[in-house]
Amino acid sequence: QKEVEQDPGPLSVPEGAIVSLNCTYSNSAFQYFMWYRQYSRKGPELLMYTYSSGNKEDGRFTAQVDKSSKYISLFIRDSQPSDSATYLCAMMNTGGFKTIFGAGTRLFVKA
Amino acid sequence: EAGVTQFPSHSVIEKGQTVTLRCDPISGHDNLYWYRRVMGKEIKFLLHFVKESKQDESGMPNNRFLAERTGGTYSTLKVQPAELEDSGVYFCASSQWTERTDTQYFGPGTRLTVL
Repeated sequence: QKEVEQDPGPLSVPEGAIVSLNCTYSNSAFQYFMWYRQYSRKGPELLMYTYSSGNKEDGRFTAQVDKSSKYISLFIRDSQPSDSATYLCAMMNTGGFKTIFGAGTRLFVKA
Repeated sequence: EAGVTQFPSHSVIEKGQTVTLRCDPISGHDNLYWYRRVMGKEIKFLLHFVKESKQDESGMPNNRFLAERTGGTYSTLKVQPAELEDSGVYFCASSQWTERTDTQYFGPGTRLTVL
């Protein structure tokens, strides 16, 4: 079983839609939860960084962490064609630097 | 401020040959990481440097892979001899740990193809 499960998609939505991306994980030691965005032929770019449980909002992006269910989500409001990319969830233990990535979800936002 | 740079952007070699990948981290970042993504799989951690010291190399696949970071600045990852299964995209990232955060900045990656 993988430590982090993420549906690879692809996910196709119309412009302006609310997008929901999710990951589940099995390691209860994870304390840091990240979402990265990766455009084609580029490296991953950090979007959101959350410590432990709760919600975090940054502009059109909201990250949620539910440690009791081992489930994290990223919501994108008013999606734009420029949001089309691969979104990767990632996690880390406390005191560790080793990041565990999900497989990434490919998102297409159609104008 | 310049980001993380990697060289080359793409390398095509034959099985059995040697390849050296280079990563230049963001200036002042003590932490440097190597990751790899093989076709159809998730990005996997290879190793982590703190300055010139290897902090964690638990993700290195085998002894054909050698990473160095002399002087605590740029890093190299050598694959010798290369095998077909080494093909993939190799990412480097750097960070500077502050309190609870460790924002890792990724380079564009080196796409390695072993024929």
